Amino acid sequence: GAGVSQSPRYKVAKRGQDVALRCDPISGHVSLFWYQQALGQGPEFLTYFQNEAQLDKSGLPSDRFFAERPEGSVSTLKIQRTQQEDSAVYLCASWRGLYQETQYFGPGTRLLVL
Amino acid sequence: DQQVKQNSPSLSVQEGRISILNCDYTNSMFDYFLWYKKYPAEGPTFLISISSIKDKNEDGRFTVFLNKSAKHLSLHIVPSQPGDSAVYFCAAQIEGGGSEKLVFGKGTKLTVNP
Repeated sequence: GAGVSQSPRYKVAKRGQDVALRCDPISGHVSLFWYQQALGQGPEFLTYFQNEAQLDKSGLPSDRFFAERPEGSVSTLKIQRTQQEDSAVYLCASWRGLYQETQYFGPGTRLLVL
Repeated sequence: DQQVKQNSPSLSVQEGRISILNCDYTNSMFDYFLWYKKYPAEGPTFLISISSIKDKNEDGRFTVFLNKSAKHLSLHIVPSQPGDSAVYFCAAQIEGGGSEKLVFGKGTKLTVNP
């Protein structure tokens, strides 16, 4: 596709529910990132994939957060037993993998946990 | 511990004048810096970047200046246009650091008045 797409764009969950957020990166981009943006803050790194390998998950806030990219393209960020503090915009970015080239961001999924 | 700081939450400028957005960083390992622009309900869009081996990079109306000794960078927009009204994020990266994650500031909301 022409750009990074994410679905759903909006998600309302009851506290304790599990959610799954999808990211479709730019075709051919080997690297994929997930960021979390809380209200009034800048995006914060969650995790990074190179192809199907998850090379860095140091930003995941708890073991309730899990990400996968099984075939090296589409990625899913799963949040189990959602809490109110999980409410944020979740951004996906894809990168061709060449230095000094930008990461391209999707529109984000806005998650609201009630 | 914020490694990238944008100390001005907002900036208001008259159309046609210069907009100057500032960013400070604390980690001397950062060697690549980017500015992203974000409209509401959209993902961040890449604007301009600079490598630590340079002190200036220009692209049309946008110029980024880097002062490594002061760990400071700035984005100049000349002349400012109403369509430039958005939130601007400064981001930093350690190239080859194994993760390539971006570290963002909190953003500065620019309003350009007609």
